Amino acid sequence: DTGVSQDPRHKITKRGQNVTFRCDPISEHNRLYWYRQTLGQGPEFLTYFQNEAQLEKSRLLSDRFSAERPKGSFSTLEIQRTEQGDSAMYLCASSPRGSPYEQYFGPGTRLTVT
Amino acid sequence: EDQVTQSPEALRLQEGESSSLNCSYTVSGLRGLFWYRQDPGKGPEFLFTLYSAGEEKEKERLKATLTKKESFLHITAPKPEDSATYLCAVSNNTNAGKSTFGDGTTLTVKP
Repeated sequence: DTGVSQDPRHKITKRGQNVTFRCDPISEHNRLYWYRQTLGQGPEFLTYFQNEAQLEKSRLLSDRFSAERPKGSFSTLEIQRTEQGDSAMYLCASSPRGSPYEQYFGPGTRLTVT
Repeated sequence: EDQVTQSPEALRLQEGESSSLNCSYTVSGLRGLFWYRQDPGKGPEFLFTLYSAGEEKEKERLKATLTKKESFLHITAPKPEDSATYLCAVSNNTNAGKSTFGDGTTLTVKP
């Protein structure tokens, strides 16, 4: 098992462009989480899925953010009309069925909006 | 709203000098308290889950304890490779899938 993977690892985009990130969880993990982290801060919860169902979405998430997990395996996070304030590390995590609170994080995607 | 406060923000120790990190929390019905380690440029690495006051967990030089208001991460005889940011997080009974993180304590262990 290679752990949680995220693609791309780095993304530089211009303000106003749309970006999409992908997360592949550990196989057979049924829960998948998205977080955002800025320098010196802890991860900030964005949303999570149990299988293909999106069960919780942060109120901090604006309508420009959307996440999907269509077949209960990989997930995508899309940001539309990016703003400079969206610059951050976007982290994905997954947890196994028997231990939903043990979250295993991927390496993250670092987004820079210029 | 759940809140997590970690102290100190930064801690510098000599190799072998034991110390403790603090995590104070406010939560409406604690489901679990979690400790993670994060190295620069990497995602957090899960360390422990604590579920109820009085519970303790150990892993190598690390020991986590929990009371009704705070948790401590005790580091015994640390080594330079223990240098990292240690994050604390909580989840509540209403939204168990959502974790609220503190901003972490950055530990530096000098040889």
